Amino acid sequence: AQSVAQPEDQVNVAEGNPLTVKCTYSVSGNPYLFWYVQYPNRGLQFLLKYITGDNLVKGSYGFEAEFNKSQTSFHLKKPSALVSDSALYFCAVSASGRGSTLGRLYFGRGTQLTVWP
Amino acid sequence: NAGVTQTPKFRVLKTGQSMTLLCAQDMNHEYMYWYRQDPGMGLRLIHYSVGEGTTAKGEVPDGYNVSRLKKQNFLLGLESAAPSQTSVYFCASSYSGQGGFYTEAFFGQGTRLTVV
Repeated sequence: AQSVAQPEDQVNVAEGNPLTVKCTYSVSGNPYLFWYVQYPNRGLQFLLKYITGDNLVKGSYGFEAEFNKSQTSFHLKKPSALVSDSALYFCAVSASGRGSTLGRLYFGRGTQLTVWP
Repeated sequence: NAGVTQTPKFRVLKTGQSMTLLCAQDMNHEYMYWYRQDPGMGLRLIHYSVGEGTTAKGEVPDGYNVSRLKKQNFLLGLESAAPSQTSVYFCASSYSGQGGFYTEAFFGQGTRLTVV
């Protein structure tokens, strides 16, 4: 069965400091991994994805994520946080292969990131 | 480009009433999904569709029905609304990329439904 865990409900960081939002996954087959951000009263916006290739993936707004197959993790990172990064972040996984999981995304419960000035 | 459009954006229903949420995408995507978002629960898949005329159950399908008569539209119906269906509903679409993997999903802005 496919699943995603975001172990931290909240992450607080000072502006200018590096941030990390953690994500681990469980999937049958090759994982396709995604990060989304949600601002209040808005839909989800795509940040970045890992399909194959380099383990370090760069995305929108200066975010990046590192795929670690042995630890089944896909942590979201940013070298220098901004107050405007404060939002709800979701990790999601999709799996290769056919059958009932075709095209389906499995989401974590989300991590609320707060960046204070 | 409009992307994924959901209507309505807000709705208040009385228990037992019915309604249909409409999702329309203009990206010619094969796959469409309906999720609900509840505090602390993340996004849970209600139903999804892998092509016109096909639908499948997701994680929490009870109390909902769907139809995909046209490729660009995916309708979510509530036949007899219950307070437990108070939630924010999101529609999304995606497609299969080269090599058969699935691309990122594109989300609508959401429908905030309250059942009283």
